[in-house]
Amino acid sequence: EDQVTQSPEALRLQEGESSSLNCSYTVSGLRGLFWYRQDPGKGPEFLFTLYSAGEEKEKERLKATLTKKESFLHITAPKPEDSATYLCAVQASGGSYIPTFGRGTSLIVHP
Amino acid sequence: ETGVTQTPRHLVMGMTNKKSLKCEQHLGHNAMYWYKQSAKKPLELMFVYNFKEQTENNSVPSRFSPECPNSSHLFLHLHTLQPEDSALYLCASSQDSGSTGELFFGEGSRLTVL
Repeated sequence: EDQVTQSPEALRLQEGESSSLNCSYTVSGLRGLFWYRQDPGKGPEFLFTLYSAGEEKEKERLKATLTKKESFLHITAPKPEDSATYLCAVQASGGSYIPTFGRGTSLIVHP
Repeated sequence: ETGVTQTPRHLVMGMTNKKSLKCEQHLGHNAMYWYKQSAKKPLELMFVYNFKEQTENNSVPSRFSPECPNSSHLFLHLHTLQPEDSALYLCASSQDSGSTGELFFGEGSRLTVL
């Protein structure tokens, strides 16, 4: 069974304090790993897709990396507007292609 | 309008009521999804439609009944719900359900069952 574990569950940072969110996964063959951002009361918004170990993607202050067992979402010099819940999902290469989601990391950035 | 639109945004219903949630996507996608999101839990897949055909039913109780009249519209009919069904119901779409995991979500319908 595909599993996705995100840590920490919640993270509080001061503005400008860089940190990383973790997504560890167990899947029988990775087709893709996805990061989403979800603001309170809204649906998730797609951020990145990673396909193979060693791959990196960047968007503004966010950088996503991938190894064979986990992915990191690095947040450099965060701002209060980066406060949101960040969701990780994995898509297996066999069977159903429907992504399996983790529980998310709730990030709060204080000014 | 663009993207994925869900109505209503908020719904309060009694256990004996019948109501429906509506989703419409303007992205030209062929797959549509219903997810349930409860506090402290991962997104829970409910139903998937690919080219109007239901391809996934994730052991959802029969009090939830989906309908997909075309690739742009998706409904979730609700009847005799339980208080534990209170949650955020999210609709999503993708190009199709067999290739990409990049889902485009609506803003959700917040359901409260009294």
